[in-house]
Amino acid sequence: ETGVTQSPTHLIKTRGQQVTLRCSSQSGHNTVSWYQQALGQGPQFIFQYYREEENGRGNFPPRFSGLQFPNYSSELNVNALELDDSALYLCASSWAGRGTQYFGPGTRLTVL
Amino acid sequence: AQSVTQLGSHVSVSEGALVLLRCNYSSSVPPYLFWYVQYPNQGLQLLLKYTSAATLVKGINGFEAEFKKSETSFHLTKPSAHMSDAAEYFCAVSEETGNQFYFGTGTSLTVIP
Repeated sequence: ETGVTQSPTHLIKTRGQQVTLRCSSQSGHNTVSWYQQALGQGPQFIFQYYREEENGRGNFPPRFSGLQFPNYSSELNVNALELDDSALYLCASSWAGRGTQYFGPGTRLTVL
Repeated sequence: AQSVTQLGSHVSVSEGALVLLRCNYSSSVPPYLFWYVQYPNQGLQLLLKYTSAATLVKGINGFEAEFKKSETSFHLTKPSAHMSDAAEYFCAVSEETGNQFYFGTGTSLTVIP
């Protein structure tokens, strides 16, 4: 059984740029959720994708967008990067949009 | 909206001592409750979960937690701390049919040799 994987591991961008983060869900899971974890904080829910459609969104602006593909992998896109976007971005997979979420190792984004 | 409060952002215990990490939640409906552990520069690993079955839940690495509805609490315990338990611990809650997890701010556990 393959766990949740994320790429890249680390990323450095400058303010105003755009970034794409990628996530592959655990085998057998069809739902992917994205979280932002600022330093010293708990993860904050960004949005969830289920069957290739957004299935819930947290309090994040529209410049945070996502996609889910037929193989259930997912992308998180952030446009017009701001310094406060610097954080660990976590992807979690689950079954049918509910229940236990299993997390990947995260992508550390630094915005300069 | 759901919310989770973790009392004590830092907890220190001696090796072999009892570990007690506190979590209180606010929910108008019976929730699902989770504890995750995060080691430095890593993602979150599931320790245990409560999903309305037994109120005392046993997890990995000797951890357990008890759901107390009257106190809206889900405290994490381990009888004897080990050096390898040093990490950040997060309590999370979701509604039964919810898709969003609400996390506490975390408790950093230090184990003193």
